[in-house]
Amino acid sequence: NAGVTQTPKFRVLKTGQSMTLLCAQDMNHEYMYWYRQDPGMGLRLIHYSVGEGTTAKGEVPDGYNVSRLKKQNFLLGLESAAPSQTSVYFCASSYGRTEQFFGPGTRLTVL
Amino acid sequence: AQSVTQLGSHVSVSEGALVLLRCNYSSSVPPYLFWYVQYPNQGLQLLLKYTSAATLVKGINGFEAEFKKSETSFHLTKPSAHMSDAAEYFCAVSGGNTGGFKTIFGAGTRLFVKA
Repeated sequence: NAGVTQTPKFRVLKTGQSMTLLCAQDMNHEYMYWYRQDPGMGLRLIHYSVGEGTTAKGEVPDGYNVSRLKKQNFLLGLESAAPSQTSVYFCASSYGRTEQFFGPGTRLTVL
Repeated sequence: AQSVTQLGSHVSVSEGALVLLRCNYSSSVPPYLFWYVQYPNQGLQLLLKYTSAATLVKGINGFEAEFKKSETSFHLTKPSAHMSDAAEYFCAVSGGNTGGFKTIFGAGTRLFVKA
């Protein structure tokens, strides 16, 4: 099992550009999450999904959109990137209140 | 709203010394509690979890944590630090007051191990 995978691993964008981050899991988990990690701030939840075709806002959703068209995939989109979105992005999945399984992260720099 | 507080953003210990990383949570209802570890340039991985069974929880790599409801604490310990323990550690909570599944993470504690 690959667990949780994320694509790409690194990306540099210019302000105003758009991009999509892909997360895939092969554990048949219902719940999937997108977090951003910034120094000294732990992980902050951007958006999450409780099942195929559902999405919901987390703690810091502004500037991001998500889609969950297939159970195993959870996409995070940035429509118009801003320097404040420079961060490390982690995808995770879980069965529910149990532990979350994390991907390796995507390091995004917005110039 | 639930919250998680990790005391100390940085902790430094000598190799072979006791490791103690502190975590307090705010919830009147016992939640699920977790400790995760993050090695450089990697994602988080689970060290251990408390889910209302035994209050002393043993995890991987010799770590353990004790749930103390009266103190709303879930401190992480390891009797003897190893150089390979150097990493960032996150305490996390889910369930509890909100009864929800979303997980709240602490800000993290970076552990340094001196030779």
